[in-house]
Amino acid sequence: QKEVEQDPGPLSVPEGAIVSLNCTYSNSAFQYFMWYRQYSRKGPELLMYTYSSGNKEDGRFTAQVDKSSKYISLFIRDSQPSDSATYLCAMTRSGNTPLVFGKGTRLSVIA
Amino acid sequence: DAGVTQSPTHLIKTRGQQVTLRCSPKSGHDTVSWYQQALGQGPQFIFQYYEEEERQRGNFPDRFSGHQFPNYSSELNVNALLLGDSALYLCASSLAGRNTEAFFGQGTRLTVV
Repeated sequence: QKEVEQDPGPLSVPEGAIVSLNCTYSNSAFQYFMWYRQYSRKGPELLMYTYSSGNKEDGRFTAQVDKSSKYISLFIRDSQPSDSATYLCAMTRSGNTPLVFGKGTRLSVIA
Repeated sequence: DAGVTQSPTHLIKTRGQQVTLRCSPKSGHDTVSWYQQALGQGPQFIFQYYEEEERQRGNFPDRFSGHQFPNYSSELNVNALLLGDSALYLCASSLAGRNTEAFFGQGTRLTVV
């Protein structure tokens, strides 16, 4: 079993839809949870990071962490064609330890 | 602020050759990490440099080595290239102890033929 599991998709939604992206993990020591967006042929761009359980909102993006279920989510409201990218979840035990990534989910938002 | 810059952007090498990839961290950052991203996979941690020393290492063979310079820039060296080394190599920079706020470069796409 991989430490971090993420459905690779692809996921295709119409413009304006609410998108839900998810990851599960097995290592209960993970405390920090990140979401990155990666456009084709580019490096990952940090969208949000969350410490421990709870929700965090930033504009159209909401990150949720449920440590009891070892499950994290990213919601995108009012999705736009410019949101079309691969979304990577990442997590780590502390600020000093390396990031462990999921495979990424490829999202297409159709106008 | 130029962010994290990597060079070259693309590279084609032959099996058995050696390659050096370069990274300049975001201004003010002192820690550099290298990741390998195979096609369709998430990035995998190779190693991290801080104060010119390798501080942490992932599950990669000794063919992968690196260096950090006094200006915090870094190099990744791969010897005896294998076809399986073909991937996007990503450099991430951060402040020490702040891996959760790492900034990534655009990557170097290495193709081994």
